[in-house]
Amino acid sequence: NAGVTQTPKFRILKIGQSMTLQCTQDMNHNYMYWYRQDPGMGLKLIYYSVGAGITDKGEVPNGYNVSRSTTEDFPLRLELAAPSQTSVYFCASTPPGADTQYFGPGTRLTVL
Amino acid sequence: AQSVTQLDSQVPVFEEAPVELRCNYSSSVSVYLFWYVQYPNQGLQLLLKYLSGSTLVESINGFEAEFNKSQTSFHLRKPSVHISDTAEYFCAVGTTQGGSEKLVFGKGTKLTVNP
Repeated sequence: NAGVTQTPKFRILKIGQSMTLQCTQDMNHNYMYWYRQDPGMGLKLIYYSVGAGITDKGEVPNGYNVSRSTTEDFPLRLELAAPSQTSVYFCASTPPGADTQYFGPGTRLTVL
Repeated sequence: AQSVTQLDSQVPVFEEAPVELRCNYSSSVSVYLFWYVQYPNQGLQLLLKYLSGSTLVESINGFEAEFNKSQTSFHLRKPSVHISDTAEYFCAVGTTQGGSEKLVFGKGTKLTVNP
């Protein structure tokens, strides 16, 4: 299994541009999550999904959108990039009833 | 709501010295507790976890943590650290709400092991 994969690894955006961060897992996990990590702030939950077609907001959802059309994929969309969205973004997944989250390698996003 | 406090943002130690990374949590319901480790430029990996049972849990690389319900703590310890333990360590608390599992993370502690 490849586990949780994220693309791209790095990206620089201009203010106002849009982009989609891709996340795919091949472990047939129902639960998937998007976090952002800022220096000294730990991880903040942006959105999560408990299965295909079901998504819900986390702690910091403003400026982001998600969709979950398949079990494997959970893309994160930034519609109008802002400097405050400069961060490292991590996708994670976990099977139902389990407790361990499996993290992808992250996407480092810079908005200038 | 749950919250996690990691009391030290940075901990420098010398190789082979003992280390303790402190974590306190607050929650009104029963919790699961986790320590995740993040090596430079990588994602997070589970180090160890407490779900129930024995309050002392261990990892395969010599770390241990003890769940103390009365002090609402889950401190991470290692009796002798190696250079390779240099990483950022995150304490997290989890509960089950409405059928989903969500974690709340602390702000992290950067452990630097010096020769």
